[in-house]
Amino acid sequence: EIVLTQSPGTLSLSPGERATLSCRASQSVSSRYLAWYQQKAGQAPRLLVYGTSSRATGIPDRFSGSGSGTDFTLTISRLEPEDFAVYYCQQYGTSPRTFGQGTKVDIK
Amino acid sequence: QVQLVESGGGVVQPGRSLRLSCAASGFIFGSYDMHWVRQAPGKGLEWVAAIWHDGDNKNYGDSVKGRFTISRDNSKSTLYLQMNSLRAEDTALYYCAREYSSSSGKACDYWGQGTLVTVSS
Repeated sequence: EIVLTQSPGTLSLSPGERATLSCRASQSVSSRYLAWYQQKAGQAPRLLVYGTSSRATGIPDRFSGSGSGTDFTLTISRLEPEDFAVYYCQQYGTSPRTFGQGTKVDIK
Repeated sequence: QVQLVESGGGVVQPGRSLRLSCAASGFIFGSYDMHWVRQAPGKGLEWVAAIWHDGDNKNYGDSVKGRFTISRDNSKSTLYLQMNSLRAEDTALYYCAREYSSSSGKACDYWGQGTLVTVSS
């Protein structure tokens, strides 16, 4: 099983600041198979990025993904009030298709 | 528009069974692989199971393997999760999700709102 470790656990930032979220895999993951989701309280997850760096439909360009091998990053260039949420990475390369434990981005 | 509506959740005693359903609409259900993902109260997301578009291949998370069975009826555009030998740790909100696949990658692009399963005596 591929274990995904997200860091930090919580990121406290102000609107307008840049957020950098990390997802580290215990084994190499094909860049095609790494995705990022956003989840707000009481809501289902929303797909942000798939294939490491492709934004899903309707996702603003302040969200960007990068990385390869075992190290992947989600960057939010300038935080908007609606971006404060929990973010998860997931790998689809091998079964089980594991999730990271999540990074909470909250308002400083 | 794409819609996924889960049902079948409820309170069940440990050791008993429950079957979840996910009714899909707004897309050609039989063309997509589908997933179940769960979230225990206050916890993160846990992938549960996936099934190929034609039902020929199924995969399970380690914590449910041998107890849960994923299936689908493409004629009814419905996904199922048969859950047997339920345990307290299976208590969670269960989401169904559609898998999007392209040359760029894969991910679950549409999710239902979830159905809550509570395992308690």
